[in-house]
Amino acid sequence: DQQVKQNSPSLSVQEGRISILNCDYTNSMFDYFLWYKKYPAEGPTFLISISSIKDKNEDGRFTVFLNKSAKHLSLHIVPSQPGDSAVYFCAASLSGGYQKVTFGTGTKLQVIP
Amino acid sequence: GAGVSQSPSNKVTEKGKDVELRCDPISGHTALYWYRQSLGQGLEFLIYFQGNSAPDKSGLPSDRFSAERTGGSVSTLTIQRTQQEDSAVYLCASGRTYNEQFFGPGTRLTVL
Repeated sequence: DQQVKQNSPSLSVQEGRISILNCDYTNSMFDYFLWYKKYPAEGPTFLISISSIKDKNEDGRFTVFLNKSAKHLSLHIVPSQPGDSAVYFCAASLSGGYQKVTFGTGTKLQVIP
Repeated sequence: GAGVSQSPSNKVTEKGKDVELRCDPISGHTALYWYRQSLGQGLEFLIYFQGNSAPDKSGLPSDRFSAERTGGSVSTLTIQRTQQEDSAVYLCASGRTYNEQFFGPGTRLTVL
């Protein structure tokens, strides 16, 4: 049972344009969401997060949007750069202490120069 | 500052052999996670340790898999009687809270 889903396995975007990565979740109890970025042969690194009390969180070129009613979140990267080419994982957890984090299957982003 | 380290970085073994994978978390991190990523797949949760609490083993795929965390620090993931489908990158992560995990570089396991 995949509780966090990233339905697009890959995405190609021209440099300078916006990249939009999508994520859906099924467990309405999740109230904390994260995005991780992974380069080949490296472990994932934390990128940005959002709590369910917000609907938007911005950090430089990266913005995460949360739509709780739709159980959907998205990561926007603008402008996209070739160095953004990586696999992006969406993750979700319950807050309030130490909780297991559930990851999606990832979306491979390619930014074309 | 040292990050999460894992050893070995690569392991090639024969089907049926046992393997041990090691994870050294960041000092002071009470939470430790093991994941695996098979070719073309996402991050599959295996097991989660949190302080002195009983570990969450709900992701272990079979009883051939086990993990220990000694002294609240170093963890070892053991796979007995390895099978070809066990071939994957095994990732360890540690953290202090639910909102961020620091990953190691992973161990690439190949079962021939």
